[in-house]
Amino acid sequence: GAGVSQTPSNKVTEKGKYVELRCDPISGHTALYWYRQSLGQGPEFLIYFQGTGAADDSGLPNDRFFAVRPEGSVSTLKIQRTERGDSAVYLCASSTDWGGEQYFGPGTRLTVT
Amino acid sequence: GNSVTQMEGPVTLSEEAFLTINCTYTATGYPSLFWYVQYPGEGLQLLLKATKADDKGSNKGFEATYRKETTSFHLEKGSVQVSDSAVYFCALRPSGGSYIPTFGRGTSLIVHP
Repeated sequence: GAGVSQTPSNKVTEKGKYVELRCDPISGHTALYWYRQSLGQGPEFLIYFQGTGAADDSGLPNDRFFAVRPEGSVSTLKIQRTERGDSAVYLCASSTDWGGEQYFGPGTRLTVT
Repeated sequence: GNSVTQMEGPVTLSEEAFLTINCTYTATGYPSLFWYVQYPGEGLQLLLKATKADDKGSNKGFEATYRKETTSFHLEKGSVQVSDSAVYFCALRPSGGSYIPTFGRGTSLIVHP
């Protein structure tokens, strides 16, 4: 079946602009996770959803970052007033429930110029 | 806090050579341990896992043993193939409370024919 998909695959934006990154989890997976992977680093946790609610957003670096999952399926990660330091690959993963095996999408490479 | 340390790459081997990628961790309690693989242009995939001390995870010819006494989870393969060229990530997931995983920085493996 279809895996986790993320769009766009690449996004180039100017410093100060607003961006939205989309994640389509595997159908039926209730848990959804966002990670950020900087060059040469492993993924770092940002936020986790169980259903529609953000169960843990302790990894969001500051209030410029926000994520939603209004219908418990697709999720959007929103970044306001982007900074060059936000440049990274943003990964999404989903699992059947909290603590289950996570299936990762291919990521969105964000470049802030 | 929790942390995972992996050997730096790239690791460059000839086909059929023996592979070891070292991974050590710091965590309280009894975390679960994982190896993920990321092939070029693809998302992270779970390669193998172990959930308690002395467990051996194995998949596709790769193996890793959970060593509590040395807090290690080294990845091994007896005979690598060109198709094994990828980035390998070691990760831990706490056993209680938060299930948020911690990843290592990744080790790039390059296998030459």
